[in-house]
Amino acid sequence: GENVEQHPSTLSVQEGDSAVIKCTYSDSASNYFPWYKQELGKGPQLIIDIRSNVGEKKDQRIAVTLNKTAKHFSLHITETQPEDSAVYFCAARAYSGGGADGLTFGKGTHLIIQP
Amino acid sequence: NAGVTQTPKFQVLKTGQSMTLQCAQDMNHNSMYWYRQDPGMGLRLIYYSASEGTTDKGEVPNGYNVSRLNKREFSLRLESAAPSQTSVYFCASTGGGGQPQHFGDGTRLSIL
Repeated sequence: GENVEQHPSTLSVQEGDSAVIKCTYSDSASNYFPWYKQELGKGPQLIIDIRSNVGEKKDQRIAVTLNKTAKHFSLHITETQPEDSAVYFCAARAYSGGGADGLTFGKGTHLIIQP
Repeated sequence: NAGVTQTPKFQVLKTGQSMTLQCAQDMNHNSMYWYRQDPGMGLRLIYYSASEGTTDKGEVPNGYNVSRLNKREFSLRLESAAPSQTSVYFCASTGGGGQPQHFGDGTRLSIL
């Protein structure tokens, strides 16, 4: 089955600086890679996702890059703000057109934005 | 639009008791999922339902059963709770076809 590794487990950055979280996956059939943000006491919320036919995707201050050859993908947050403090999870799965098996998640990164 | 609603939000059980966690979605999604989240472990898939009338095991199904009651509702049952099942349980749904999963806010379950 799929295995997703996520690093670092904790990341502390100064407000206004950039943050980068990295994930690797094992199953070359995986073709969908979402990123979730989880705030205390809440469920994970999708912030951005990328499919294997795309190398990079941006949404305002957030971007995700994908290297299929190396089987890794990264989340980039620029101009970090206090409200970016949360736990971030990467995930992967292989969509084959049928079935609906779930996502395989990384173990999470606790992002701390220092004022 | 409530999205994915889970009940209850908190529950404390004694070892050996049974419990059903409820999940309902109002997005007309075909597929629904149950995950558990433990400290330092991320989220792990317990069971999923690709469509009404079907269910399948995920990564950690032992000790659990599920029922896809209708298109909207997907319940998770612990027949004889064990302390190892202390966790936060999340339900999610998706329209399928590569669409994102939407999560509820979880049920925090403690088993003494």
